[in-house]
Amino acid sequence: QKEVEQDPGPLSVPEGAIVSLNCTYSNSAFQYFMWYRQYSRKGPELLMYTYSSGNKEDGRFTAQVDKSSKYISLFIRDSQPSDSATYLCAMRSPNTGFQKLVFGTGTRLLVSP
Amino acid sequence: NAGVMQNPRHLVRRRGQEARLRCSPMKGHSHVYWYRQLPEEGLKFMVYLQKENIIDESGMPKERFSAEFPKEGPSILRIQQVVRGDSAAYFCASSPPGTREIGAQYFGPGTRLLVL
Repeated sequence: QKEVEQDPGPLSVPEGAIVSLNCTYSNSAFQYFMWYRQYSRKGPELLMYTYSSGNKEDGRFTAQVDKSSKYISLFIRDSQPSDSATYLCAMRSPNTGFQKLVFGTGTRLLVSP
Repeated sequence: NAGVMQNPRHLVRRRGQEARLRCSPMKGHSHVYWYRQLPEEGLKFMVYLQKENIIDESGMPKERFSAEFPKEGPSILRIQQVVRGDSAAYFCASSPPGTREIGAQYFGPGTRLLVL
């Protein structure tokens, strides 16, 4: 079993839809959670960074962490064609090398005009 | 403010040759990380370095791979005697000092290595 599971998609939605992207994880020691956006053949771009459980909002993006369920989500409101990319969740634990990020495989999102 | 810089962006090597990948962290960042991304897989941690020190190399293959971050100049990931299985995208990330517990990592554009 992978430490971090993420549905690869693709997830196809029309422009303006609310998008929900999710990851589950098995290591209860993870404390820091990140979402990255990666366009084709580019490097990952940090979108959201959260610590422990709770919500964090930044513009059209909202990140949620539920440590009791080992489940994190990224919501995108009013999705745009420019949001079409692969979204990677990543997390860190003090037990497995504090600076080492463990990534999901990514969910490919397609937003059609 | 320039981001993380990597070069070359694309590198083609024949089996048995050496590959050298370079990474310049963001200005003011002193922590460097290398990750590898294989097709259809997520990024896998390889090594974490600070200036002149390897902090965590738990993700590095035991043979042929090495990394350094000298006092002056970029960080280098070196792959000796490359094999076809080394073909992948290699990403460098950096984070600023003093963020051991909370720092997020910022990624470069990657070097795509193709071994023929």
